[in-house]
Amino acid sequence: KQEVTQIPAALSVPEGENLVLNCSFTDSAIYNLQWFRQDPGKGLTSLLLIQSSQREQTSGRLNASLDKSSGRSTLYIAASQPGDSATYLCAVGAGSYQLTFGKGTKLSVIP
Amino acid sequence: DAGITQSPRHKVTETGTPVTLRCHQTENHRYMYWYRQDPGHGLRLIHYSYGVKDTDKGEVSDGYSVSRSKTEDFLLTLESATSSQTSVYFCAISESGGVNTEAFFGQGTRLTVV
Repeated sequence: KQEVTQIPAALSVPEGENLVLNCSFTDSAIYNLQWFRQDPGKGLTSLLLIQSSQREQTSGRLNASLDKSSGRSTLYIAASQPGDSATYLCAVGAGSYQLTFGKGTKLSVIP
Repeated sequence: DAGITQSPRHKVTETGTPVTLRCHQTENHRYMYWYRQDPGHGLRLIHYSYGVKDTDKGEVSDGYSVSRSKTEDFLLTLESATSSQTSVYFCAISESGGVNTEAFFGQGTRLTVV
């Protein structure tokens, strides 16, 4: 059974700092990996999708990497802003078109 | 934003009553999913559908049933609600099941069973 772990569970940084969120998974037989953002009381917003054959994807200040063989992904956020405060979720796509989620990292960016 | 509408957005119901949650999409995506989100557990898959009238169970399907009679609608039914089904329920859609599949989520339904 696939297990996805996100460390740390919570992170607080001052505005302007670059930061890295970590995601690890136990089964490397994946189709893809997706990073989401969730604001309190809201739904999930897709940030980046990395296919299993890709090493990284970039969108604006966000860069996600994937090392399938070691079961790891990182989400890099450059020049953090208070508006980046949210919970970030990592999800692995595998068989039966399902996503297996980590429990998330709650990010607080302090002005 | 992907065209996904969940209804109702909030519901309080009594133990033992039936409850139906609706997910409606305007994207014509083939795959639809129901997840529940609970503190300490993250999001877990309840049921999913890979086409009209084609559904399958997810990780936490006990006590739930689903139906999909049209591409755009996916219904989740709690036959007899229990307090353990108090949760936030999310519907998701994806165009395909391949490596390039990106999932999009609705805004969620907060269900409280008292």
